[in-house]
Amino acid sequence: EAGVTQSPTHLIKTRGQQATLRCSPISGHTSVYWYQQALGLGLQFLLWYDEGEERNRGNFPPRFSGRQFPNYSSELNVNALELEDSALYLCASSAGTGAYEQYFGPGTRLTVT
Amino acid sequence: ELKVEQNPLFLSMQEGKNYTIYCNYSTTSDRLYWYRQDPGKSLESLFVLLSNGAVKQEGRLMASLDTKARLSTLHITAAVHDLSATYFCAVVREAQKLVFGQGTRLTINP
Repeated sequence: EAGVTQSPTHLIKTRGQQATLRCSPISGHTSVYWYQQALGLGLQFLLWYDEGEERNRGNFPPRFSGRQFPNYSSELNVNALELEDSALYLCASSAGTGAYEQYFGPGTRLTVT
Repeated sequence: ELKVEQNPLFLSMQEGKNYTIYCNYSTTSDRLYWYRQDPGKSLESLFVLLSNGAVKQEGRLMASLDTKARLSTLHITAAVHDLSATYFCAVVREAQKLVFGQGTRLTINP
């Protein structure tokens, strides 16, 4: 069974541009989570989507947004990129709101220059 | 605000030795997780601890949870080089939000 997949693996953008990161959950999973792992800041929760709805949001500015599609895949959009947005972005999925295990994808390394 | 603190943050040890990583958290939670991360890689789930007194073991790693003390430990027995990695604990906050500790970078020397 395929795990969580993310694309692209690496993304290089210039300050002020927009970045779009994609995530496909494990088949049958309806919840998708996004986390940011920035140097010196550790792993921080960004967003949680379940059944197409945003269920929870971390302490990030509104230029971090996303959505979940009917097939449960998800996009994370980061607008007006800043240098400090450079990080590894991890997506995880779980089998719905009652499931306690989150399975992580390989991540997208975003570099903002 | 929920805070999760690990110690030590860096640990260098010899093969064959035993050691323990500690994870303290500041408010009650009904779930605690341990993950492993190799350099440049994603997170690999090691253990999920769901109740007070829970103990789980896999190979040379054993994790335990004391919800009254808000403390979890990850014990490494007779360490081998392959266990070199960064280990994170995480606690569930509201609505499935995982709050992570800072991570413990473990280096095991031959």
